[in-house]
Amino acid sequence: GAVVSQHPSRVICKSGTSVKIECRSLDFQATTMFWYRQFPKQSLMLMATSNEGSKATYEQGVEKDKFLINHASLTLSTLTVTSAHPEDSSFYICSAREKDRGLYTIYFGEGSWLTVV
Amino acid sequence: EDQVTQSPEALRLQEGESSSLNCSYTVSGLRGLFWYRQDPGKGPEFLFTLYSAGEEKEKERLKATLTKKESFLHITAPKPEDSATYLCAVQAGSSASKIIFGSGTRLSIRP
Repeated sequence: GAVVSQHPSRVICKSGTSVKIECRSLDFQATTMFWYRQFPKQSLMLMATSNEGSKATYEQGVEKDKFLINHASLTLSTLTVTSAHPEDSSFYICSAREKDRGLYTIYFGEGSWLTVV
Repeated sequence: EDQVTQSPEALRLQEGESSSLNCSYTVSGLRGLFWYRQDPGKGPEFLFTLYSAGEEKEKERLKATLTKKESFLHITAPKPEDSATYLCAVQAGSSASKIIFGSGTRLSIRP
């Protein structure tokens, strides 16, 4: 199947700083990517939908100024957590939607652990 | 309201004991139903996509089926390495932009 790569897999940052997480579709072009947050033993929580060349669509309750999403190319979307605080510590996962013969399949990245100290 | 419900929330089986996981959905305009496997601390791994009622797909000990209201993930003679959380997601809407996840079933296989 298609491959989606996230980087970094783990990052520790100081409170008040910003951190960027990259999501790349390695063998297909993705006009749409998704960003999720997941707390321990809980399901995925969709944060935003990232569309190539346009602004991201954020889910209710997600601060767009805090979680900046950029989808500048068909293979790369980035999530920047600005002015990070310890409560932003979480597992962040991206996914990319591949369209093949008119049908969609969604592939996930490996996830990124963010720890804010 | 669009909804995806998975049951049971957790399932513990003995090695070799076959069973099924359920994903029921109420959405308008189903475009596809996905099954994923997620191991702790990792991103979900794609297993299957089902597009229409009556469709079935198999992969090793797993078999996914789809009706107009629900999907089943059958696991035959499971092994301890099949232990994971299994997620179901539904893609719906005219633009297929709406994706709704179930809360998952935590499957544990005892040797």
